[in-house]
Parts: sequence; C-alpha cells; structure tokens
Amino acid sequence: DAKTTQPPSMDCAEGRAANLPCNHSTISGNEYVYWYRQIHSQGPQYIIHGLKNNETNEMASLIITEDRKSSTLILPHATLRDTAVYYCIVPGRGSARQLTFGSGTQLTVLP
Amino acid sequence: DTGVSQDPRHKITKRGQNVTFRCDPISEHNRLYWYRQTLGQGPEFLTYFQNEAQLEKSRLLSDRFSAERPKGSFSTLEIQRTEQGDSAMYLCASSLSAGKRKGTEAFFGQGTRLTVV
Repeated sequence: DAKTTQPPSMDCAEGRAANLPCNHSTISGNEYVYWYRQIHSQGPQYIIHGLKNNETNEMASLIITEDRKSSTLILPHATLRDTAVYYCIVPGRGSARQLTFGSGTQLTVLP
Repeated sequence: DTGVSQDPRHKITKRGQNVTFRCDPISEHNRLYWYRQTLGQGPEFLTYFQNEAQLEKSRLLSDRFSAERPKGSFSTLEIQRTEQGDSAMYLCASSLSAGKRKGTEAFFGQGTRLTVV
C-alpha cells in the first residue's frame, strides 16, 4: 500500500472551508486516493475518491497535485456535524483492495 | 435505507464464550470485508469475500476467528473462546468489484461493539 501522511488534528471555524492535506508520495500511476471520515462511534463513511483529476461531489472536493504525491480534501462550508476523523487512503494493489486506515486527521469544527 | 446493516450493535460476553456477528451487505455488492477497530485506532482489515469465496485473511485473524458468507449474501463472523483482547468494534463493509483502472468505494455498517468481561 502507498503510505499516507496526515496531520493528527486540525480546527476549523463553522461556515469556513476546511482544507485537509494528505501526502502520498509513493503512490503509483494507477492507484486511487480515497477519503473516508468517521464520526465518533459510527462506521466510516465514504466521502470521495480520485485518480488524477480534481473531483467534486455533494460532500466535498478533492484536489490532487499534478505529480499525484499529495492531495487536499476540501469541505467548502464546514458545519459542527463535520467534526470527525478524516482518513486519506490509497488501497492495496492486491485483489482485495482492502483499506488501510492510518491515524487520520481529527477535524474539530468550532462554533 | 438499503445500506450495510450489522447485528447486534452491542454484545457483552464473558471470557471464554463464543459470539457470532452478522452482516448484511448492500444487495448488489459482491465484495464483503470485515474490519476490527480498537479504541483510538483506525479500523484494521481482517478478511475479505468475493461472492461466497473468502479470498484473503489478515494475520490478525487468529484460529479462534472464522467468517463465512454462504450463498454470497450475508456474512457471519464468529469468535470462539473469547478473550478480553477481542474487545473492539467489528465493522463490515461491502463494495462492487472493479477493474484495476477503476475505483470503487466501500460502504460500512455501524459496527458491532464487543465487550468481553
């Protein structure tokens, strides 16, 4: 699996954009970057994934650098309900494509 | 809601007892995963099914653990002779298989929290 590195914690003011960085410098050409989040005591929730191009859905935007060695998850207008641990994951190349969760970033949205 | 469902949500058992958890994946998903999560850690992969075939097991899956997915639908995870170290959240996820050049997301259930006393 490509190793990912994320800051352990970040704060964001409610209503502002939350920008969560992730480094994945060992990613290979055909590996996707996935983002999940986990709100306390719940199962992980899929947010978004991408390969090369920037992606946007109803939850977030994903910006991937041209060299694909890093990415940023953007929550455009953070709410208190976005407080969670955010995981940046590059799944394994094996047939299982299982997710290897690191420590993630604890995002706290402040009122 | 036709998401991944897990049963029970909570289980308290005495050390040495056997427990079984059930996971019902999203109906059209052919891949099913089991993960374990201990307090303060991210989920750890345990095992994976493609349809009814168990194709991969983590070294975390000791001999006391067994998982099945008969008929490629729901799955069960059994822990025999439970130990206090088995206390954790057990998460199930399902997804569609995809070609190597396509990404596919996994959807998780709410988990079964096991406490061994």
